[in-house]
Amino acid sequence: LAKTTQPISMDSYEGQEVNITCSHNNIATNDYITWYQQFPSQGPRFIIQGYKTKVTNEVASLFIPADRKSSTLSLPRVSLSDTAVYYCLVALMFSGGYNKLIFGAGTRLAVHP
Amino acid sequence: EAGVTQFPSHSVIEKGQTVTLRCDPISGHDNLYWYRRVMGKEIKFLLHFVKESKQDESGMPNNRFLAERTGGTYSTLKVQPAELEDSGVYFCASSHGSFPYEQYFGPGTRLTVT
Repeated sequence: LAKTTQPISMDSYEGQEVNITCSHNNIATNDYITWYQQFPSQGPRFIIQGYKTKVTNEVASLFIPADRKSSTLSLPRVSLSDTAVYYCLVALMFSGGYNKLIFGAGTRLAVHP
Repeated sequence: EAGVTQFPSHSVIEKGQTVTLRCDPISGHDNLYWYRRVMGKEIKFLLHFVKESKQDESGMPNNRFLAERTGGTYSTLKVQPAELEDSGVYFCASSHGSFPYEQYFGPGTRLTVT
Protein backbone atom coordinates (compact mmCIF):
# COMPACT_ATOMS: atom_id res chain seq x y z
CA LEU A 1 0.00 0.00 0.00
CA ALA A 2 1.32 3.40 -0.99
CA LYS A 3 2.59 5.75 1.70
CA THR A 4 2.51 9.51 1.39
CA THR A 5 5.00 12.23 2.25
CA GLN A 6 3.93 15.77 3.07
CA PRO A 7 5.35 18.75 5.00
CA ILE A 8 5.15 18.40 8.76
CA SER A 9 3.93 21.96 9.21
CA MET A 10 3.04 25.14 7.34
CA ASP A 11 2.20 28.68 8.31
CA SER A 12 -0.04 31.13 6.51
CA TYR A 13 -2.04 34.29 7.05
CA GLU A 14 -5.71 34.99 6.73
CA GLY A 15 -6.84 35.61 3.17
CA GLN A 16 -3.91 33.84 1.55
CA GLU A 17 -4.05 30.79 -0.69
CA VAL A 18 -2.40 27.72 0.79
CA ASN A 19 -0.98 24.89 -1.28
CA ILE A 20 0.04 21.65 0.41
CA THR A 21 1.96 19.22 -1.77
CA CYS A 22 2.07 15.50 -1.14
CA SER A 23 4.17 12.81 -2.77
CA HIS A 24 2.95 9.24 -3.30
CA ASN A 25 5.53 7.58 -5.52
CA ASN A 26 4.17 4.06 -5.15
CA ILE A 27 0.55 4.82 -5.93
CA ALA A 28 -1.26 1.94 -7.63
CA THR A 29 -3.71 1.98 -10.49
CA ASN A 30 -6.78 1.54 -8.28
CA ASP A 31 -5.72 4.11 -5.70
CA TYR A 32 -7.34 7.51 -5.31
CA ILE A 33 -5.80 10.54 -3.61
CA THR A 34 -7.90 11.69 -0.72
CA TRP A 35 -7.49 14.58 1.70
CA TYR A 36 -8.91 14.78 5.21
CA GLN A 37 -8.87 17.61 7.75
CA GLN A 38 -8.69 17.14 11.50
CA PHE A 39 -9.32 19.62 14.30
CA PRO A 40 -8.18 18.95 17.89
CA SER A 41 -10.39 16.49 19.77
CA GLN A 42 -12.31 15.59 16.62
CA GLY A 43 -12.13 12.81 14.08
CA PRO A 44 -10.80 13.44 10.57
CA ARG A 45 -13.20 15.00 8.08
CA PHE A 46 -13.25 14.36 4.32
CA ILE A 47 -12.25 17.34 2.18
CA ILE A 48 -11.73 16.17 -1.40
CA GLN A 49 -10.76 13.19 -3.50
CA GLY A 50 -9.41 12.76 -7.02
CA TYR A 51 -7.81 10.33 -9.43
CA LYS A 52 -6.14 12.59 -11.98
CA THR A 53 -6.09 16.16 -13.34
CA LYS A 54 -8.07 18.66 -11.28
CA VAL A 55 -10.98 18.35 -8.88
CA THR A 56 -12.71 21.30 -7.26
CA ASN A 57 -15.43 21.54 -4.66
CA GLU A 58 -16.77 24.29 -2.44
CA VAL A 59 -13.85 24.21 -0.03
CA ALA A 60 -10.73 23.15 -1.96
CA SER A 61 -9.09 22.16 -5.22
CA LEU A 62 -6.95 19.13 -5.83
CA PHE A 63 -4.33 19.07 -8.58
CA ILE A 64 -2.92 15.73 -9.73
CA PRO A 65 -0.32 15.54 -12.53
CA ALA A 66 -0.43 12.87 -15.19
CA ASP A 67 2.10 10.58 -13.47
CA ARG A 68 0.04 10.72 -10.24
CA LYS A 69 3.17 10.56 -8.10
CA SER A 70 2.25 13.76 -6.31
CA SER A 71 -0.75 15.96 -5.65
CA THR A 72 -1.43 19.46 -4.35
CA LEU A 73 -4.29 20.52 -2.13
CA SER A 74 -5.19 24.17 -2.63
CA LEU A 75 -7.17 26.10 -0.02
CA PRO A 76 -8.28 29.49 -1.30
CA ARG A 77 -8.31 32.47 1.04
CA VAL A 78 -7.77 30.64 4.33
CA SER A 79 -9.22 31.88 7.60
CA LEU A 80 -8.27 31.24 11.21
CA SER A 81 -10.77 28.38 11.31
CA ASP A 82 -8.73 26.50 8.71
CA THR A 83 -6.02 25.90 11.31
CA ALA A 84 -5.93 22.11 11.48
CA VAL A 85 -4.00 19.00 10.48
CA TYR A 86 -4.39 18.02 6.83
CA TYR A 87 -3.87 14.41 5.82
CA CYS A 88 -2.98 13.32 2.31
CA LEU A 89 -4.13 9.74 1.94
CA VAL A 90 -3.98 7.05 -0.65
CA ALA A 91 -7.34 5.34 -0.73
CA LEU A 92 -7.43 1.82 -2.06
CA MET A 93 -10.81 1.50 -3.71
CA PHE A 94 -12.77 -1.73 -3.75
CA SER A 95 -15.58 -2.61 -6.12
CA GLY A 96 -17.74 -3.55 -3.16
CA GLY A 97 -18.33 0.15 -2.39
CA TYR A 98 -15.71 0.89 0.22
CA ASN A 99 -12.12 1.98 0.53
CA LYS A 100 -9.12 1.51 2.79
CA LEU A 101 -7.34 4.61 4.04
CA ILE A 102 -3.64 4.74 4.84
CA PHE A 103 -2.85 7.72 7.07
CA GLY A 104 0.50 9.48 7.15
CA ALA A 105 1.75 12.05 9.61
CA GLY A 106 -0.25 14.92 8.14
CA THR A 107 0.58 18.62 7.74
CA ARG A 108 -0.14 20.92 10.63
CA LEU A 109 -1.38 24.19 9.12
CA ALA A 110 -1.38 27.30 11.29
CA VAL A 111 -3.25 30.33 9.99
CA HIS A 112 -2.28 33.63 11.60
CA PRO A 113 -4.24 36.90 11.77
CA GLU B 1 -28.69 13.72 10.37
CA ALA B 2 -26.80 12.47 13.41
CA GLY B 3 -23.13 11.81 12.93
CA VAL B 4 -21.02 8.91 14.12
CA THR B 5 -21.07 8.71 17.90
CA GLN B 6 -18.64 6.98 20.21
CA PHE B 7 -18.89 6.07 23.85
CA PRO B 8 -17.24 6.72 26.19
CA SER B 9 -15.34 9.83 25.19
CA HIS B 10 -12.61 9.00 27.69
CA SER B 11 -11.76 5.87 29.64
CA VAL B 12 -9.07 5.35 32.25
CA ILE B 13 -8.39 1.76 33.30
CA GLU B 14 -5.64 -0.21 34.97
CA LYS B 15 -3.43 -2.65 33.18
CA GLY B 16 -5.08 -6.04 33.04
CA GLN B 17 -8.63 -4.72 33.10
CA THR B 18 -11.17 -4.96 30.33
CA VAL B 19 -12.64 -2.05 28.40
CA THR B 20 -15.38 -2.00 25.79
CA LEU B 21 -15.68 0.87 23.34
CA ARG B 22 -18.88 1.49 21.44
CA CYS B 23 -19.50 3.07 18.06
CA ASP B 24 -22.85 4.02 16.55
CA PRO B 25 -22.49 4.67 12.84
CA ILE B 26 -24.64 6.94 10.72
CA SER B 27 -27.96 5.24 10.09
CA GLY B 28 -27.95 3.25 6.87
CA HIS B 29 -24.17 3.03 6.57
CA ASP B 30 -23.20 -0.56 5.91
CA ASN B 31 -19.47 0.06 6.25
CA LEU B 32 -17.96 0.58 9.67
CA TYR B 33 -14.24 1.05 10.37
CA TRP B 34 -12.10 1.16 13.49
CA TYR B 35 -8.82 3.09 13.68
CA ARG B 36 -6.52 4.07 16.49
CA ARG B 37 -3.71 6.49 17.13
CA VAL B 38 -1.27 5.61 19.87
CA MET B 39 0.88 8.35 21.38
CA GLY B 40 3.09 10.06 18.83
CA LYS B 41 2.16 7.71 16.03
CA GLU B 42 -0.01 7.90 12.95
CA ILE B 43 -3.65 6.90 12.74
CA LYS B 44 -3.73 3.18 11.96
CA PHE B 45 -6.49 1.09 10.45
CA LEU B 46 -7.73 -1.73 12.67
CA LEU B 47 -10.63 -3.37 10.90
CA HIS B 48 -13.62 -2.95 8.62
CA PHE B 49 -17.14 -4.35 8.82
CA VAL B 50 -19.59 -4.63 5.98
CA LYS B 51 -22.89 -4.93 7.81
CA GLU B 52 -22.22 -7.57 10.46
CA SER B 53 -19.33 -9.29 8.66
CA LYS B 54 -15.66 -8.57 9.15
CA GLN B 55 -14.36 -7.61 5.71
CA ASP B 56 -10.80 -6.81 6.72
CA GLU B 57 -9.25 -7.23 10.16
CA SER B 58 -5.64 -7.06 9.04
CA GLY B 59 -4.88 -4.14 11.35
CA MET B 60 -5.94 -5.76 14.61
CA PRO B 61 -2.79 -5.82 16.74
CA ASN B 62 -3.35 -9.10 18.60
CA ASN B 63 -5.97 -11.41 20.05
CA ARG B 64 -6.57 -9.14 23.03
CA PHE B 65 -8.74 -7.06 20.73
CA LEU B 66 -12.22 -8.27 19.77
CA ALA B 67 -14.60 -6.33 17.56
CA GLU B 68 -18.23 -7.15 16.99
CA ARG B 69 -21.10 -5.63 15.07
CA THR B 70 -24.25 -7.43 16.01
CA GLY B 71 -27.11 -6.98 13.59
CA GLY B 72 -25.07 -4.70 11.40
CA THR B 73 -25.79 -1.62 13.49
CA TYR B 74 -23.55 -0.45 16.32
CA SER B 75 -20.13 -1.96 16.93
CA THR B 76 -18.08 -2.68 20.01
CA LEU B 77 -14.33 -3.02 20.40
CA LYS B 78 -13.24 -4.91 23.49
CA VAL B 79 -9.71 -4.88 24.82
CA GLN B 80 -9.03 -7.73 27.26
CA PRO B 81 -6.71 -7.59 29.10
CA ALA B 82 -5.56 -4.04 28.47
CA GLU B 83 -1.85 -3.26 28.31
CA LEU B 84 -0.05 0.05 28.67
CA GLU B 85 0.68 0.23 24.94
CA ASP B 86 -3.04 0.16 24.18
CA SER B 87 -3.34 3.75 25.34
CA GLY B 88 -4.38 6.11 22.58
CA VAL B 89 -7.38 7.46 20.71
CA TYR B 90 -9.73 5.00 19.05
CA PHE B 91 -11.72 6.33 16.12
CA CYS B 92 -14.72 4.82 14.46
CA ALA B 93 -15.90 5.76 10.97
CA SER B 94 -18.75 4.75 8.73
CA SER B 95 -19.57 5.09 5.06
CA HIS B 96 -22.33 4.23 2.63
CA GLY B 97 -21.63 2.39 -0.60
CA SER B 98 -21.69 5.34 -2.96
CA PHE B 99 -18.57 6.81 -4.53
CA PRO B 100 -16.31 8.45 -3.30
CA TYR B 101 -16.89 6.20 -0.28
CA GLU B 102 -16.29 9.12 2.06
CA GLN B 103 -15.69 7.96 5.61
CA TYR B 104 -17.43 9.90 8.39
CA PHE B 105 -15.43 9.78 11.60
CA GLY B 106 -16.62 9.94 15.15
CA PRO B 107 -14.91 12.13 17.77
CA GLY B 108 -12.90 9.21 19.14
CA THR B 109 -12.51 7.53 22.50
CA ARG B 110 -9.39 8.39 24.45
CA LEU B 111 -8.19 5.29 26.28
CA THR B 112 -5.63 5.59 29.04
CA VAL B 113 -4.20 2.41 30.55
CA THR B 114 -2.27 2.96 33.78
